[in-house]
Amino acid sequence: AQSVTQPDIHITVSEGASLELRCNYSYGATPYLFWYVQSPGQGLQLLLKYFSGDTLVQGIKGFEAEFKRSQSSFNLRKPSVHWSDAAEYFCAVGGDNDMRFGAGTRLTVKP
Amino acid sequence: KAGVTQTPRYLIKTRGQQVTLSCSPISGHRSVSWYQQTPGQGLQFLFEYFSETQRNKGNFPGRFSGRQFSNSRSEMNVSTLELGDSALYLCASSIGQGRSYEQYFGPGTRLTVT
Repeated sequence: AQSVTQPDIHITVSEGASLELRCNYSYGATPYLFWYVQSPGQGLQLLLKYFSGDTLVQGIKGFEAEFKRSQSSFNLRKPSVHWSDAAEYFCAVGGDNDMRFGAGTRLTVKP
Repeated sequence: KAGVTQTPRYLIKTRGQQVTLSCSPISGHRSVSWYQQTPGQGLQFLFEYFSETQRNKGNFPGRFSGRQFSNSRSEMNVSTLELGDSALYLCASSIGQGRSYEQYFGPGTRLTVT
């Protein structure tokens, strides 16, 4: 069965600084990978997804992620963080029968 | 296009009662999935419905059930509520069934069991 690990429970960055959120997955076949963002009291919004092809994926709100098969990773990046990016971020892998989510990384943005 | 809607948004129930949550998918979407989100367990998959049939099911007891109607709207039922069922229940819809289809999430129903 597939699984997802997000090693960082909580990250704090200054506004304007760069951001990288880590995600490692385990899945036997070609993974379908996703990053979602959840603001307090809200549902999840899809930031980007990887199915195949170019390993660098562009998403909404200036986010991008890079798929590295050799490292089983799909890290999320943003060159310059805005205060409105403060939220919880979830990495997910689509398996045979369901979607598995990581535990999430809470992002705090300092002014 | 309207997003995924879930009703009610908040619910307080007592142990032993049952509850029904409703989800209306995006127009044209035929697949509806349900998830439970708790601080301790995170996001866990409950089940997926496509064309009125349950296609996949997560590792939850039989007290959790669901159904999908011909208009793709879905309901989730939890019987004999336990304190541990307190959670945010999220519904997600997609055009098709399976992992390659992008899921769109509703705002969730916050269930509190006392």
